[in-house]
Amino acid sequence: QQQVKQSPQSLIVQKGGISIINCAYENTAFDYFPWYQQFPGKGPALLIAIRPDVSEKKEGRFTISFNKSAKQFSLHIMDSQPGDSATYFCAASMTTDSWGKLQFGAGTQVVVTP
Amino acid sequence: DTEVTQTPKHLVMGMTNKKSLKCEQHMGHRAMYWYKQKAKKPPELMFVYSYEKLSINESVPSRFSPECPNSSLLNLHLHALQPEDSALYLCASSQDINLNEQFFGPGTRLTVL
Repeated sequence: QQQVKQSPQSLIVQKGGISIINCAYENTAFDYFPWYQQFPGKGPALLIAIRPDVSEKKEGRFTISFNKSAKQFSLHIMDSQPGDSATYFCAASMTTDSWGKLQFGAGTQVVVTP
Repeated sequence: DTEVTQTPKHLVMGMTNKKSLKCEQHMGHRAMYWYKQKAKKPPELMFVYSYEKLSINESVPSRFSPECPNSSLLNLHLHALQPEDSALYLCASSQDINLNEQFFGPGTRLTVL
């Protein structure tokens, strides 16, 4: 049973455009929501993360929006560049428990065209 | 040093071989993880070590045997693998088991013939 649902499965965006990836969860005990970026043949790299006490976090061109009541969070990539072409995974976990397993979404393959 | 390193980058082995994957981190992290990742899928957790002790085994077959010789090193011993075990094997570390900012290594691409 997938605890974090991610959409879309794939996304094509033009250079300079905005990429938006959405994730939804059911477990209200989740309190840590990271996004990972993975290039082909490489390991996932932690991109940005948010906790539910804030509704938005921005790092450079990457922004996480968090809606606690809707149990949804999303990644916005502003001014998308060809170098952003990668697979993006959202995840969620409980850090208040003694062990908080990262529950990953299924992933979104983003292609930024020149 | 803020990275997790893994060796080898690629490994091809037969079903009767014994091989090991190695992972190293020098960030002082006390939790280390092994994940398996199939193409176009998210990473799947296999094992978690906390303070050099095995804390979590996600019902992984015994042909995979983890080892944590010290706080910086993590090994995964492989024996009698099956072709369906071919995947990218990722190591990760975090400061502590319940501080979930996990940093991943580049992975070992394993092919079982």
